[in-house]
Amino acid sequence: GIQVEQSPPDLILQEGANSTLRCNFSDSVNNLQWFHQNPWGQLINLFYIPSGTKQNGRLSATTVATERYSLLYISSSQTTDSGVYFCAPWTVMLTFGGGTRLMVKP
Amino acid sequence: EAQVTQNPRYLITVTGKKLTVTCSQNMNHEYMSWYRQDPGLGLRQIYYSMNVEVTDKGDVPEGYKVSRKEKRNFPLILESPSPNQTSLYFCASSLSIGGLSEQYFGPGTRLTVT
Repeated sequence: GIQVEQSPPDLILQEGANSTLRCNFSDSVNNLQWFHQNPWGQLINLFYIPSGTKQNGRLSATTVATERYSLLYISSSQTTDSGVYFCAPWTVMLTFGGGTRLMVKP
Repeated sequence: EAQVTQNPRYLITVTGKKLTVTCSQNMNHEYMSWYRQDPGLGLRQIYYSMNVEVTDKGDVPEGYKVSRKEKRNFPLILESPSPNQTSLYFCASSLSIGGLSEQYFGPGTRLTVT
């Protein structure tokens, strides 16, 4: 099956800093989702992005399907951004990467 | 409000005592699935259903049963729970499969089997 690798695995930021999270996948995909798992365990949809770039407030995502990667940008980070970020490409099913654990310090 | 709901949210039980975790969605979605999340192993799919009365195994189906008698409901059944089924469980739904529509997740159920 498809292999999904996320980097970095852990990231510590000072509030206000910017960051880029990367997701590499091994096969062609139909689509891709980014999720944020907050400290209470809830999975929150961030982006549904097969290709191109989407923006939502301080977050944006870019997927380059032909090169098999996606990037999540977080600008002006806030403590509420802390948690784990997952990318999940779609083939027949959704397959999750291992996640990037982000801690934003005040 | 469009949502996926799960009950219970937290459950502590003993080995061998049958339990059911309910899942319901109000978005008229065709596709529903169950995942479990474990430290170091990530999120893995247990079962999925493409429509009423159509279910299939995911990556880790052993020890679980599901049924899809109505479009909106997709309960997860543990006939004889064991400690290795202690996990965080998520139900999810989407309008279609294969990435043609976005998948939405329920709030999760933390299950502990002693």
